[in-house]
Amino acid sequence: KQEVTQIPAALSVPEGENLVLNCSFTDSAIYNLQWFRQDPGKGLTSLLLIQSSQREQTSGRLNASLDKSSGRSTLYIAASQPGDSATYLCAVTTDSWGKLQFGAGTQVVVTP
Amino acid sequence: ETGVTQTPRHLVMGMTNKKSLKCEQHLGHNAMYWYKQSAKKPLELMFVYSLEERVENNSVPSRFSPECPNSSHLFLHLHTLQPEDSALYLCASSPDDVNTGELFFGEGSRLTVL
Repeated sequence: KQEVTQIPAALSVPEGENLVLNCSFTDSAIYNLQWFRQDPGKGLTSLLLIQSSQREQTSGRLNASLDKSSGRSTLYIAASQPGDSATYLCAVTTDSWGKLQFGAGTQVVVTP
Repeated sequence: ETGVTQTPRHLVMGMTNKKSLKCEQHLGHNAMYWYKQSAKKPLELMFVYSLEERVENNSVPSRFSPECPNSSHLFLHLHTLQPEDSALYLCASSPDDVNTGELFFGEGSRLTVL
């Protein structure tokens, strides 16, 4: 059974520092991996999608890497801002119907 | 605005009530999903529909009944729920190619069962 773990569970950094969020999964047979952002009481916003054949994806200040063989992904957020405060979730697609297995998330607080 | 709209955003119901959650997607996607997010737990997949056919039912109790009348609409009918069913229910959609497509989520329906 696929298990997804995110470490740390919570993270607080001063504005301007780079953020590093980790995600690990136990079964490397995945179709893709997605990083999401969730604000309190809101739905999920897709940040980056990495296909299983890719090593990384970039969007603005965000960069996500994928090492499928070791079951790891890392989300980097450069020059953090208070508006980056949210919970960040990673999820892997485990079957052809797009079933996502989610981690529990990393709650990020960026202090001014 | 993600292109996936959920109503109502908040719902309070008693254990004997019957209510429904509605999801509508304006993205032309063919696959739609219901996820449940409980406090302190990872999101759990409940149902998957592809081209209006149910393709996944993740061992969900029968007090939750999904309906997908067309590829743009998805409902979750609720009856005789339990207090532990209180959670955020999230709808999502994805393009034809579920192997590679992103999931787009709605804002969720916050359900409280008294």
